[in-house]
Amino acid sequence: QVQLQESGPGLVRPSGTLSLTCSVSGGSVSSGSFYWSWVRQSPREGLEWIGYFYSTEDTRYNGDTKYNPSLKGRVTISADTPKNQFSLKLNSVTAADTAFYYCVRVQERYRYGYVFDHWGQGTLVTVSS
Amino acid sequence: DIQLTQSPSSLSASVGDRVTITCRASQNINRFLSWFQQKPGKAPKLLIYASSNFQGGVPSRFTGSGSGTEFTLTINGLQPEDFATYYCQQSFITPWTFGQGTRVEIQ
Repeated sequence: QVQLQESGPGLVRPSGTLSLTCSVSGGSVSSGSFYWSWVRQSPREGLEWIGYFYSTEDTRYNGDTKYNPSLKGRVTISADTPKNQFSLKLNSVTAADTAFYYCVRVQERYRYGYVFDHWGQGTLVTVSS
Repeated sequence: DIQLTQSPSSLSASVGDRVTITCRASQNINRFLSWFQQKPGKAPKLLIYASSNFQGGVPSRFTGSGSGTEFTLTINGLQPEDFATYYCQQSFITPWTFGQGTRVEIQ
């Protein structure tokens, strides 16, 4: 059974960098067909997909990332395959970035598209001085 | 970006009722639409993917249908544990987007 768990500071200062880590058990972040994603949720914006990291077990492949353009280049998602974790960094944060942040496994299912099938429990990050 | 509009935004219903929620996409998304259920303080839970396919463990009273730009989630015989907020989400093209949610409340 795949499980995901977010960790990181719950309070970030304005203009600072939000950093979260997702620890994965029951699956590997270097397995193909999975897109390791971050999603956030706030009362104002609702649910918003932030981006994903994708990799395979082929050590010649460095992985791929894709981000929501709404975040205007402030986001980086990366993976630490030996630790089986992936991370989110969002810089130049403002109060508008206050939200619950979820790490999510997205599975590519043949003919069925990309399916958000496993979610972490979520962590609240508040941007405030 | 593809916009998803759910209707209604909220509804009141009784145990045993049949409930239908609609999700309209701003452009053709084929059948690449999922439905989620979210309860307070919890992460969204996948119910249905690719418009009408059940995720494992989801009760059969939840059914999904539709293609193109119009989709529905139907709950046949509402149960007490079904009172929650429901979201649609498209995976046709990035950025993957969500609807604004439909809150199902006890009448």
